Amino acid sequence: AQSVSQHNHHVILSEAASLELGCNYSYGGTVNLFWYVQYPGQHLQLLLKYFSGDPLVKGIKGFEAEFIKSKFSFNLRKPSVQWSDTAEYFCAAGSSNTGKLIFGQGTTLQVKP
Amino acid sequence: DTGVSQDPRHKITKRGQNVTFRCDPISEHNRLYWYRQTLGQGPEFLTYFQNEAQLEKSRLLSDRFSAERPKGSFSTLEIQRTEQGDSAMYLCASSFSQSSYNEQFFGPGTRLTVL
Repeated sequence: AQSVSQHNHHVILSEAASLELGCNYSYGGTVNLFWYVQYPGQHLQLLLKYFSGDPLVKGIKGFEAEFIKSKFSFNLRKPSVQWSDTAEYFCAAGSSNTGKLIFGQGTTLQVKP
Repeated sequence: DTGVSQDPRHKITKRGQNVTFRCDPISEHNRLYWYRQTLGQGPEFLTYFQNEAQLEKSRLLSDRFSAERPKGSFSTLEIQRTEQGDSAMYLCASSFSQSSYNEQFFGPGTRLTVL
């Protein structure tokens, strides 16, 4: 069965702390991987994506993620978080054919100023 | 605003009533997706269209749910005989199938509350 699992449901950090959010997926066939972010009161926005090639992908606002095929993981990282990074983060796996996305449960990140 | 739009943004209804939501995708996008999101969970896929054809439906989509995209542009999602368990955020997303990565752009959602 296709699934995406996010390890942390709620993370609280102080500004300037480093962030790593875990994501593991189970997916047959060719998979595309995404991180979406939802800021308070806003709709889902794409943070970054992986399709092929360099397993370390960089996204907007200083975020990056590493695809580790052997571990079926796609963890999100940021060296130094800001208060404005407070949001909900969703990892998703998508079919390269249909584009249909399977989302994880989401991680709420709270950054304290 | 050239993003994905959804109408209404909020809907409160009584159990047993029918409701219909509308989604207007980004104009050049030929794919349109519906997802449902409940509190504390990620969005769950419901169905998707390529142009006017509905190509896949989730098992979550009971026979009380129907979606259409008659002219390959906007789409409607109807829920008949609503139940309290239908209370959720209904999200629409669109994409262009010919792009290299089929990125989906999401609308703001319609929040349904069934009393």
